[in-house]
Amino acid sequence: SQQGEEDPQALSIQEGENATMNCSYKTSINNLQWYRQNSGRGLVHLILIRSNEREKHSGRLRVTLDTSKKSSSLLITASRAADTASYFCATDGGGADGLTFGKGTHLIIQP
Amino acid sequence: KAGVTQTPRYLIKTRGQQVTLSCSPISGHRSVSWYQQTPGQGLQFLFEYFSETQRNKGNFPGRFSGRQFSNSRSEMNVSTLELGDSALYLCASTSDGIRTDTQYFGPGTRLTVL
Repeated sequence: SQQGEEDPQALSIQEGENATMNCSYKTSINNLQWYRQNSGRGLVHLILIRSNEREKHSGRLRVTLDTSKKSSSLLITASRAADTASYFCATDGGGADGLTFGKGTHLIIQP
Repeated sequence: KAGVTQTPRYLIKTRGQQVTLSCSPISGHRSVSWYQQTPGQGLQFLFEYFSETQRNKGNFPGRFSGRQFSNSRSEMNVSTLELGDSALYLCASTSDGIRTDTQYFGPGTRLTVL
């Protein structure tokens, strides 16, 4: 079953603008991860945030986690054409069913 | 270090057949996980193997099975293929496991069932 739900499903912005994607989940988690996927290829790990962390940065990426609202956001600043991809959040609920992925946000950066 | 490799990259099978997919993890990684990705269901976790033992399992029928060898290479088998098994199958490796570690994904095997 899908636990993480990304919002919006699709997002189109101009190059240079910031892109924000949200992820909501249903049960308590140990950590939450964000991944990027280009055109049906393998996923690339972007960032992992643990349940006791509220914010994390990595280059142009900023991730926040609000466990009280069961939500996370991924901010990409100063977007580039190469950021065009699908972005997924994945949650680890601590059970034996591994990671649970959302259906993703498809981000399009217009040149 | 070489990345995660998956073979074959593309596969076409017919209903009722079985298929075996292979995944070679990054050198030194002991955990290999498998995922199925379809347009309708998205990315779904199949199973994780760690040091030749299945450690976690998703909600898939018994037709889906896997194993891991002593060199950490892993295979996934699907028996009695159904049309709905058409998907991109991704494997990922980590050093210690999917819960605390970054997963490195392979390019995937695209399976088409006719």
